[in-house]
Amino acid sequence: DTAVSQTPKYLVTQMGNDKSIKCEQNLGHDTMYWYKQDSKKFLKIMFSYNNKELIINETVPNRFSPKSPDKAHLNLHINSLELGDSAVYFCASSLWTGRGKDEKLFFGSGTQLSVL
Amino acid sequence: AQKITQTQPGMFVQEKEAVTLDCTYDTSDPSYGLFWYKQPSSGEMIFLIYQGSYDQQNATEGRYSLNFQKARKSANLVISASQLGDSAMYFCAMSANTGNQFYFGTGTSLTVIP
Repeated sequence: DTAVSQTPKYLVTQMGNDKSIKCEQNLGHDTMYWYKQDSKKFLKIMFSYNNKELIINETVPNRFSPKSPDKAHLNLHINSLELGDSAVYFCASSLWTGRGKDEKLFFGSGTQLSVL
Repeated sequence: AQKITQTQPGMFVQEKEAVTLDCTYDTSDPSYGLFWYKQPSSGEMIFLIYQGSYDQQNATEGRYSLNFQKARKSANLVISASQLGDSAMYFCAMSANTGNQFYFGTGTSLTVIP
């Protein structure tokens, strides 16, 4: 049973295409995230949803649109892909408990996006 | 604003030796959490250890310990008895009490030499 699962694992596409990455968690967490990891391994938060409500929206181009149909799912749709979008995208989830350690992030296995 | 700084882009350690990976943070929140994650070459993110801002004792998890110095705003990871499998990227992260937000440092690449 994978706790946070994201698909696909690899995504190779041409510039200008539209693509989606799906994420699902079965941990009962109330918060989900999208992170982008660039070629230098820097992890940058893109979006955060709490109970389907957007709570963090960092400076991300409008071409990126998250969608949370329910609190167990957070999908990422990218329009008009550009070369600079090539990166690893991680979905993650957490539970806000006020008990510190229990609030750690659980990560999906990542999606390697390559834009040609 | 929250900020995490890891000043060591790369570190080398001899197998079976101990190594310290540095992490400093900045926050105005009185309540926060500090985490360390490991990312091996396979790419997955693995949780290692957690330290709460109000915890009196340094956290330990097996060979991992966190040297927490609140006044200096540092949360260094100590790995004892390094193993070849410890070769990976290590990320320090902080969660703020103002919301479900996690901030990551730029990471340290650790190489364990046989």
